[in-house]
Amino acid sequence: GENVEQHPSTLSVQEGDSAVIKCTYSDSASNYFPWYKQELGKRPQLIIDIRSNVGEKKDQRIAVTLNKTAKHFSLHITETQPEDSAVYFCAASKGSGGYQKVTFGTGTKLQVIP
Amino acid sequence: ETGVTQSPTHLIKTRGQQVTLRCSSQSGHNTVSWYQQALGQGPQFIFQYYREEENGRGNFPPRFSGLQFPNYSSELNVNALELDDSALYLCASSLDRGTGELFFGEGSRLTVL
Repeated sequence: GENVEQHPSTLSVQEGDSAVIKCTYSDSASNYFPWYKQELGKRPQLIIDIRSNVGEKKDQRIAVTLNKTAKHFSLHITETQPEDSAVYFCAASKGSGGYQKVTFGTGTKLQVIP
Repeated sequence: ETGVTQSPTHLIKTRGQQVTLRCSSQSGHNTVSWYQQALGQGPQFIFQYYREEENGRGNFPPRFSGLQFPNYSSELNVNALELDDSALYLCASSLDRGTGELFFGEGSRLTVL
C-alpha cells in the first residue's frame, strides 16, 4: 500500500520567516496531494492541494510543489504568522468516483515564534 | 450548509466492551470515510462507504465495522475493545464527483481503560 513520509516532525521559525515541509510517497498511482492543517483540539482542514498533472500551485502565502519523478512534494509557507502555528499533514490519494483512499503523513508541528 | 457532525465527542470504555460512533455527513455528500488518529500521529484510514457499501478498507481487523445509511450518515462499530484502540476517531465526508477534499468532523475521542 501507499506510504507517505513527512519531515520534519517539528519546526520552529521566527515570525516573518518561511517554513518548508517535505513529503515523499511510494505509490506512483497516487494522483492527488492535499495538505491539511490541524489546530490543537480542532478538526483537520484542507489548506491547499495539488493534482499530479500540475507541478506547482500557489494561494497567497502558501505554495505546494510536486515532483512526480522523485515522488515528493513540499509545502512552502512564506511570511509566517503566529496563527500559522499548528500541525500540518501531507497526504497522498488515488481513486476516482466514489472511491478514494487517502494516506496521511505523520505530521509536522509548526511553531511560529512572535 | 451543514458541516460534518460526530457523536459522542468523548467517551470512556473498558477493555472488551463495544462502542458505536456516529457521523452525519455534510449536506449533499454521499461518501464517508473513517480515520483513527492516535496521539501525535496522522489519521489512519479505517474504511470508506459509498452508496451504503464498504468500498475500501485500511489495515484494521474485522472487529472494526461500519454502516452507511440512506441519508449518508454513518456508524463506526468497534468490538472487543483493546487499550490500543484509544484514539481520536475522525469521520470525513466527500462527494464522489467532487475535488477529493475531505470534510472532517471534530472527532470522537475514545479512551479504553
